[in-house]
Amino acid sequence: QVQLQESGPGLVKPSETLSLTCSVSGGSMTTSYWSWIRQPPGKGLEWIGYLSYGGGSDYNPSLRSRVTISGDTPKSQFSLSLSSVDAADTAVYYCARGDFRKFDDWGQGILVTVSS
Amino acid sequence: EIVLTQSPGTLSLSPGERATLSCRASQSISRAYLAWYQQKPGQAPRLLIYGASSRAPGISDKFSGSGSGTDFTLTISRLEPEDFAVYYCQQYGSSPQYTFGQGTKLEIK
Repeated sequence: QVQLQESGPGLVKPSETLSLTCSVSGGSMTTSYWSWIRQPPGKGLEWIGYLSYGGGSDYNPSLRSRVTISGDTPKSQFSLSLSSVDAADTAVYYCARGDFRKFDDWGQGILVTVSS
Repeated sequence: EIVLTQSPGTLSLSPGERATLSCRASQSISRAYLAWYQQKPGQAPRLLIYGASSRAPGISDKFSGSGSGTDFTLTISRLEPEDFAVYYCQQYGSSPQYTFGQGTKLEIK
């Protein structure tokens, strides 16, 4: 089973860029879709975007102007960059693996707080 | 955007009972593109059902999914203490490609 682990700063200042990395083990990044999903405290799930095994990407239109997802296949990592953050971006951020329909495997999540 | 509405918001049942959770889509979606997840406090969601009715690997047969078009159901037979959690439906389709319902909290009565 593929295992995923998020890493990055837990605190980001308003207007700055949130950067997270997901490390993948037990599987190759040359298959599957690799997504970021977030969950504000006490709220539901929001898909942010994905990086496909072929190198393509797609993003939630509500975040598209601020989001970049990139990958480093030899290192088995993919990353999230979210610019110009504000308090509404405070959430637990999950990385996940799946096919194009669903999310089969999830990381444990990392809480990122946006605050000065 | 396809909106998924889950009902009820909270469901209070006793161990041993049967739970029926609903997910209604704002427009028709393919059965192939409807999934269900379970999330316990402090944990990541776990895939239970995909393709509306197929169980994910390792998922107990007490979990079953059904439905088509705009109405989908997750049924949990013989509730056990570890089943009390929040359940989300999720669809793949039009932009944004993935949306989730707001969740149903299944709590012990």
